[in-house]
Amino acid sequence: GESVGLHLPTLSVQEGDNSIINCAYSNSASDYFIWYKQESGKGPQFIIDIRSNMDKRQGQRVTVLLNKTVKHLSLQIAATQPGDSAVYFCAETFQGAQKLVFGQGTRLTINP
Amino acid sequence: ETGVTQTPRHLVMGMTNKKSLKCEQHLGHNAMYWYKQSAKKPLELMFVYNFKEQTENNSVPSRFSPECPNSSHLFLHLHTLQPEDSALYLCASSLQAAVYNEQFFGPGTRLTVL
Repeated sequence: GESVGLHLPTLSVQEGDNSIINCAYSNSASDYFIWYKQESGKGPQFIIDIRSNMDKRQGQRVTVLLNKTVKHLSLQIAATQPGDSAVYFCAETFQGAQKLVFGQGTRLTINP
Repeated sequence: ETGVTQTPRHLVMGMTNKKSLKCEQHLGHNAMYWYKQSAKKPLELMFVYNFKEQTENNSVPSRFSPECPNSSHLFLHLHTLQPEDSALYLCASSLQAAVYNEQFFGPGTRLTVL
């Protein structure tokens, strides 16, 4: 069945460095992808999304890259700050689907 | 704040208890969702309501009973739960129940079943 997964369950980076969080998906029909951030004690928060007709989309300090050939999605966070500490997970869906399929999540920790 | 509130934030209950989780959204949305978030597992959709009508039941056991009296309020009634039901229960809302609509999540209710 469809699955969305993450390559690493934890990622530790130095403050100020760039972070890259990866996500693999298996459903080639998926055409919409979302990255969420979940801080401790809070619900998931939308960060950025991308449609399958794009391979890159930029937001404020974040960039999402989509490689449909290998079914891979990544989230890049520039100049990582302590406030970026959270669990990040991706979600996928497609036109006609009834729900989003979520990945397990990667915990990002920032070292001072 | 996301505009979605959940109460209580923490709940401990025995397997024979009956309790209810409440969710309220102040965003003027028409769709509301219940999700279960267990440790080391992906977020699992439980129920979807669109304009107060249930449109999705993701094979959830009957010991979980949702109720949506209006588009702003969503309840999850719990009865004779099992310890494996312990998890974070998240409520979300969106403009409509379409997967391309952004979902706004509440902070969740941390449920522990003894």
